[in-house]
Amino acid sequence: KAGVTQTPRYLIKTRGQQVTLSCSPISGHRSVSWYQQTPGQGLQFLFEYFSETQRNKGNFPGRFSGRQFSNSRSEMNVSTLELGDSALYLCASSLTGQGAEKLFFGSGTQLSVL
Amino acid sequence: GENVEQHPSTLSVQEGDSAVIKCTYSDSASNYFPWYKQELGKGPQLIIDIRSNVGEKKDQRIAVTLNKTAKHFSLHITETQPEDSAVYFCAASMTKGAQKLVFGQGTRLTINP
Repeated sequence: KAGVTQTPRYLIKTRGQQVTLSCSPISGHRSVSWYQQTPGQGLQFLFEYFSETQRNKGNFPGRFSGRQFSNSRSEMNVSTLELGDSALYLCASSLTGQGAEKLFFGSGTQLSVL
Repeated sequence: GENVEQHPSTLSVQEGDSAVIKCTYSDSASNYFPWYKQELGKGPQLIIDIRSNVGEKKDQRIAVTLNKTAKHFSLHITETQPEDSAVYFCAASMTKGAQKLVFGQGTRLTINP
């Protein structure tokens, strides 16, 4: 079974631009979560989607948004990029996204904002 | 909200020795505690998890213990091998409602041959 797939693997953008990251969950998984990983703040929860609906959101500004498609694939978007948005963005999937389910991560998209 | 503290931030042990990483959490409503291993250039990989109705869980050389009263849980790796070198993260979540993991800051484990 294929794991969680994230594209692209690396991205370089400049301040003020916007970016879209893509995630394909494990087949059969309907919940997709996104996390931001930085050396200073560690791993922080961005949002979680199930059946195309955002069910939970972390403490990030409105510039961070996401969506989920009917095939459970998900995208996240960051608008008006800031230098501090440089991070590894991780997508994770689980069957239904309930609290005690095993969560499986992709390899991430490394975003650099110049 | 939930806060998870993880110690130590770095740990170096001799191959074959044991390694212990400790975490404390603040929200008594948390009752699911997974541990992840992250190797360079990869995403976190789930290695073991425990629910609050269980005090200890083992999987070969890895074990996790949970003290719900004290709100702390620990990862124990025995007979360490060079491939155990990685960054380890603990996390906490509630079993009810949509999943949201709160992670510790991570422990960089180095196994010296």
